[in-house]
Amino acid sequence: GQNIDQPTEMTATEGAIVQINCTYQTSGFNGLFWYQQHAGEAPTFLSYNVLDGLEEKGRFSSFLSRSKGYSYLLLKELQMKDSASYLCAVSTTDSWGKLQFGAGTQVVVTP
Amino acid sequence: DTAVSQTPKYLVTQMGNDKSIKCEQNLGHDTMYWYKQDSKKFLKIMFSYNNKELIINETVPNRFSPKSPDKAHLNLHINSLELGDSAVYFCASSQDDSGTGSSYEQYFGPGTRLTVT
Repeated sequence: GQNIDQPTEMTATEGAIVQINCTYQTSGFNGLFWYQQHAGEAPTFLSYNVLDGLEEKGRFSSFLSRSKGYSYLLLKELQMKDSASYLCAVSTTDSWGKLQFGAGTQVVVTP
Repeated sequence: DTAVSQTPKYLVTQMGNDKSIKCEQNLGHDTMYWYKQDSKKFLKIMFSYNNKELIINETVPNRFSPKSPDKAHLNLHINSLELGDSAVYFCASSQDDSGTGSSYEQYFGPGTRLTVT
């Protein structure tokens, strides 16, 4: 099975930067996803990493180190609308299509 | 245009009843999923279908029975509802990655909030 750990909650100020870490233990790693979920809504896809390195997409970037079983999601120029839960999810080759989700990190953006 | 839709959005019912949740996707995806998100917001996969064939069946009570009449629809029927079944159930779909070995992002429906009293 997979163990996926991420912090429960983080608070940051509008305009600041926040980094959400995710560590995982798995065999047959086949990619790591980040999803955003606002309260009462569905998760929406943010990023996908399968190779080591940084993927940048506007204000959001995601990093992966497969050897360390580590990823982070970087949110820059925080806006109030970024207040949400951020879910780290791992895909493996032995469970095709199945995503194992972490418990999510609640990010609170304050004025 | 809605990509993944679910009905109903809210479902309140009593213990022991049988209920169904429907899901449809218009993305042309071959794979569909059911997830359960509990009160602690932990999202856990229940089932996955690829081209109407069951491919993932997690440790879920057999009171839960998915049915896929075609690859655009995946319904979830729950028998003898229990208090612990109260949760938000999400349907999702993704492109078929069985032949490519790659993973693709999943698109989630709006969720069905089930409350069992």
